[in-house]
Formats: sequence, C-alpha cells, structure tokens
Amino acid sequence: DIQMTQSPSSLSASVGDRVTITCRASQNINNYLNWYQQKSGKAPKLLIYAASRLQSGVPSRFSGRGSGTDFTLTISSLQPEDFASYYCQQSFMTTWTFGQGTKVEIK
Amino acid sequence: QVQLVESGGGVVQPGRSLRLSCAASGFTFSDFAMHWARQAPGKGLEWVAVIWYDGNNKYYADSVKGQFTISRDNSKNTMYLQMNSLRAEDTAVYYCARGYNWNYGSYGMDVWGQGTTVTVSS
Repeated sequence: DIQMTQSPSSLSASVGDRVTITCRASQNINNYLNWYQQKSGKAPKLLIYAASRLQSGVPSRFSGRGSGTDFTLTISSLQPEDFASYYCQQSFMTTWTFGQGTKVEIK
Repeated sequence: QVQLVESGGGVVQPGRSLRLSCAASGFTFSDFAMHWARQAPGKGLEWVAVIWYDGNNKYYADSVKGQFTISRDNSKNTMYLQMNSLRAEDTAVYYCARGYNWNYGSYGMDVWGQGTTVTVSS
C-alpha cells in the first residue's frame, strides 16, 4: 500500500496568514493526489483534485502543487471559515489511502 | 439535487454483522464508482472500499479485506456495505461517497453522505 504522510499534524495561524501543508507519498503517484477539508462533525469536502485543479466552487485562495511524491496545499490568506482539518489522499492505486490529517487552529 | 444518504448504522455486539446502505439521488448512479470511507472517533479518515460503476470490480483496504463486502444495485440507486465479524476497532462514522472522474482518471470523491455511526460494543 502507498503511505501518505502529512506535515504538520496541526498548526496555529491567524486570519490573513499564508498557510502551507505538505503531503508526501511513499512512492510515485504522478498527479493522483487530492485534498479535502473537513469541519468538525461534517463530511469531508473535495477541495483540489489531480494535485492542482480546484474543485468547482472552491475559493481561489486554495491552491495545490506537486507531482510524483511531494505535494503542497496552500491557503493564501486564511479566512475564519478555513479553520478545519485537511487531508491529502492518493488515487493512484486501486486501493486509496489518506494522509493522517492536519488540523488548522486559530492562534 | 445530488445527494447521498447512508442508513443502517447502530450499536452491535462484537462478532455480529451489520449492513449499511447508501441511497443516491439527483445523478445517474450507474455512471459512477462509489466508495465507503470511515472515521473512528477522534481519528482521521480511512478509505474502506470502492465498487466500480457496473459492480464488476471491487477493491478493499487491507484492514477490512475478507471481513467487509461492498455491493450495489443500480436499479435501486443504492450501494451497500456488508460488515461481518465486527470488532471494537470498526467503531466509526461510515461515509459513502461518489467517485470523481477527470481526464480518464479517478480523482477523489466529490459527493459525500452525512455519515452513519457504527458502534461495536458489548
């Protein structure tokens, strides 16, 4: 199985900050990397697919980069509604795996 | 509107079975792969299983292989997860989700249900 490792596991930031979350795959997954946002008690929401493509309706302050094994999710200017947990997920293999998640908290 | 609604969760004793259902509406169900994912209390997301649009291909996480069975009935727009020999570590919120396809590849899950809670406890 492909292991997905996110860092950091949590971070504290202020409204307006630029935030970057990193995700590393245990092997090459090309661009089969997706990012989700999950708020407490709610289902996950697909933010970015194919490493860098913004899902419809997602604000442009979210962006994704990377290919192969190393990927990033960036929030250019953190908004109050962005405080949540974020997960990367690979869809390269027939069996998928998530990263362990990053919780973004208010400083 | 596009919607997924899970049902069938509850409290079950260790070793017993449970079947979850996921009812789809608002889209052509038979065109999409469908997934189950779960989240144990206070933990991260875990992908569980996928069934392709026609039901001919199914894949499972190692943690549930041989224990869970995914299936679908396209005539009823419904997917199922049969869970056998349940253990305490299967306690989680179970989500069904629609697979997202782009440029001939499978990329994530774009529609999710609200989740159904399974608690395995004596």
